[in-house]
Amino acid sequence: DGGITQSPKYLFRKEGQNVTLSCEQNLNHDAMYWYRQDPGQGLRLIYYSQIVNDFQKGDIAEGYSVSREKKESFPLTVTSAQKNPTAFYLCASSGTEETQYFGPGTRLLVL
Amino acid sequence: GQNIDQPTEMTATEGAIVQINCTYQTSGFNGLFWYQQHAGEAPTFLSYNVLDGLEEKGRFSSFLSRSKGYSYLLLKELQMKDSASYLCAVRDQAGTALIFGKGTTLSVSS
Repeated sequence: DGGITQSPKYLFRKEGQNVTLSCEQNLNHDAMYWYRQDPGQGLRLIYYSQIVNDFQKGDIAEGYSVSREKKESFPLTVTSAQKNPTAFYLCASSGTEETQYFGPGTRLLVL
Repeated sequence: GQNIDQPTEMTATEGAIVQINCTYQTSGFNGLFWYQQHAGEAPTFLSYNVLDGLEEKGRFSSFLSRSKGYSYLLLKELQMKDSASYLCAVRDQAGTALIFGKGTTLSVSS
């Protein structure tokens, strides 16, 4: 089945630790996106990539980093510089029709 | 700046019709999307409007007026499973990410 997978479903971070969230898609989509969702807030864009080896900062990129070495993969690293990382992280991808489809999400919690 | 407004909460009863409004102010316009999101789950795509008018898809319809910066999602024959958040999102330029509203939480009661 084609789709977007994210892992893990739940992730715990200790103080000062970097953690990486995985996002993989087999839809042959060129564009991929990372959003953060907090209670009572809309989805906010962290980073997006329209093509392999290229990505752009979104509205809240500080404290995060990404890479896009393969078309299928767009991992997000939450660095220790992100002081309030507890949130629901959603990865999405889009093809030529530009409708974005979302993965199941990763919930990040701070210990 | 970029701004998308939708009501925070709405309630309705099973079998009824509900309309969720969305107004937007963006620097450009290249399409409006509606997503449904159940608690703790990912958003799922419902509809896409880029031209003025009504798009119908089963029990759900979406309307767009670009001159008014306005859209609505119409849900007919409401069911309990329609209880969810409904997210309005606008793409201001082709090839860019979406700008999301904060979502409307719909509660359907029997």
